[in-house]
Amino acid sequence: GAGVSQTPSNKVTEKGKYVELRCDPISGHTALYWYRQSLGQGPEFLIYFQGTGAADDSGLPNDRFFAVRPEGSVSTLKIQRTERGDSAVYLCASSSRGTSINEQFFGPGTRLTVL
Amino acid sequence: GNSVTQMEGPVTLSEEAFLTINCTYTATGYPSLFWYVQYPGEGLQLLLKATKADDKGSNKGFEATYRKETTSFHLEKGSVQVSDSAVYFCAHAQGGSEKLVFGKGTKLTVNP
Repeated sequence: GAGVSQTPSNKVTEKGKYVELRCDPISGHTALYWYRQSLGQGPEFLIYFQGTGAADDSGLPNDRFFAVRPEGSVSTLKIQRTERGDSAVYLCASSSRGTSINEQFFGPGTRLTVL
Repeated sequence: GNSVTQMEGPVTLSEEAFLTINCTYTATGYPSLFWYVQYPGEGLQLLLKATKADDKGSNKGFEATYRKETTSFHLEKGSVQVSDSAVYFCAHAQGGSEKLVFGKGTKLTVNP
């Protein structure tokens, strides 16, 4: 079916506010990843889910960042007390374990701007 | 630690020119290697991959060979087209790990 979708496509918020970014993976994909891409840089890994559980959250920069995937499909990345340095494009990807190794399919991203 | 270093851009070529974008990696063991491409206004797409030493990944006229002795995975194309204009990212995934480690990206512009 459709590819990975992310909403909103753009989010502008003020410093100190809370934001939620949503990711809808490809149907049937069990693995879901979040990355953050700052201007002029490659994507940096944040967290990886296998099913409902976070298998690797070593990339989350601090405890203001949290992600959930309660039913093993849609995931939400939550950022508390946003800071200007959080401004970036947040990318979501999904993959189907058991097929091509690490072939991750990326969404279009959410551009977060913290004023 | 694990990292990927790729050729600084931007790169500007004329149509039908030969393209090389260098990529080297630092990792333990035998990572899988990837090239992703981001066309203007679109999301990242897998271009090609290689999972073991001496493997050659190829797609859309692009090729890259996994060279363990030089820890490299250089991207090449014999004759570029205007439609190849995009940002190209080299990446690796450590064996057993699911996370991709990306280079900074190389912007390619092909002029007619």
